[in-house]
Amino acid sequence: QSVLTQPPSVSGAPGQRVTISCTGSSSNIGAGWDVHWFQQLPGTAPELLIYDNNNRPSGVPDRFSGSKSGASASLAITGLQPEDEADYYCQSYDNSLSAWVFGGGTKLTVL
Amino acid sequence: EVQLVESGGGLGQPGGSLRLSCVDSGFTFSTYEMNWVRQAPGKGLEWVSYISESSSNIKYVDSVRGRFTVSRDNAKNSLFLQMSSLRAEDTAVYYCATKKGGTTYFRHWGQGTLVIVSS
Repeated sequence: QSVLTQPPSVSGAPGQRVTISCTGSSSNIGAGWDVHWFQQLPGTAPELLIYDNNNRPSGVPDRFSGSKSGASASLAITGLQPEDEADYYCQSYDNSLSAWVFGGGTKLTVL
Repeated sequence: EVQLVESGGGLGQPGGSLRLSCVDSGFTFSTYEMNWVRQAPGKGLEWVSYISESSSNIKYVDSVRGRFTVSRDNAKNSLFLQMSSLRAEDTAVYYCATKKGGTTYFRHWGQGTLVIVSS
């Protein structure tokens, strides 16, 4: 049971827009801690995709965007491409646990 | 540029020990806080341990506290994880990851090293 809750899977056709939600609580996202997103392609290490809620590291296409509201956050991917098929994880910090925490991950399938 | 390479994974006996290493081939290792994050087969990511730049601040997830010890050698651009009293549930790919002070995200990741705990 992950501290942050994500849907197990989402899917979309090429060119479409998909969103992935990440729900926390008053001890993590709701406490004001930033949310970050990672992309993990099959068989590879995770890579930072979005940091501090809505910032992209250099090299990440602007098709990827993040938002945060209250105790939840979302990752949006527009213009879906086959190479976007991957697992996506949200991450934040939890006051009560004094630990960095992840969502359970969402598998994106490009139809 | 940060380039992290983990090693030391393999088969460990229940109750036994393993020592993981992570080497940064770049020249900025001492300026990063370092972490270990693990991923059990087919499962999600779990933060395991944190160590500050000077080793003055160390944290562990509850499930490994008292069994795992994190350390670093800035002169050798190296991070270590001494794993003891191994359990089957410690089976995972272990990644080392950088974090800059004042931030809460893991910026650079190694390729991971697989630890299997089994008799």
